[in-house]
Amino acid sequence: SAVISQKPSRDICQRGTSLTIQCQVDSQVTMMFWYRQQPGQSLTLIATANQGSEATYESGFVIDKFPISRPNLTFSTLTVSNMSPEDSSIYLCSANALRETQYFGPGTRLLVL
Amino acid sequence: AQSVSQHNHHVILSEAASLELGCNYSYGGTVNLFWYVQYPGQHLQLLLKYFSGDPLVKGIKGFEAEFIKSKFSFNLRKPSVQWSDTAEYFCAVNYFGNEKLTFGTGTRLTIIP
Repeated sequence: SAVISQKPSRDICQRGTSLTIQCQVDSQVTMMFWYRQQPGQSLTLIATANQGSEATYESGFVIDKFPISRPNLTFSTLTVSNMSPEDSSIYLCSANALRETQYFGPGTRLLVL
Repeated sequence: AQSVSQHNHHVILSEAASLELGCNYSYGGTVNLFWYVQYPGQHLQLLLKYFSGDPLVKGIKGFEAEFIKSKFSFNLRKPSVQWSDTAEYFCAVNYFGNEKLTFGTGTRLTIIP
């Protein structure tokens, strides 16, 4: 398995600002993923982050709003840009550490006022 | 589009009762199947997974799941639940050659002591 950490664990932000979430894996992984989990709902994939190439975004998510970096095989960041209250959610990072099995970080709880 | 259905949104059981949570996925070829659990205030943890072989898989904490290909189902079972099983349970699938996970809507399980 893999141990995944995220920073910050939670934040309260003002409308119009941006927040960058960091995700660190304790081993080298090929693929990392970013999800959003809105209160009481399931996980929705935002994008797949591959090292050395641009992230692949799912329908409904765009790079300008959710820019992603993947500078090496153990680290990724997700930025939530120009935030609005609708962006209030839990943002989760995951990684395929073992044969197509994803392990998840603890999440970042974001509240936008 | 790939989809996963979890028909039980909220299940309430008494301790020692038997549990079965339903999960069905849309047809899309060879699949890998997963159950994840999210305990209150904690992050997503892998309960069990099926890739191939014996369709009855055993996971942690006494859980098991059965893959029935003809029914596109992967139901989660536990013969005797405990209060500590109170959590949100998510079924997820990825399709052979595609690392992306598609999640079901989740089932909230409440165990009454």
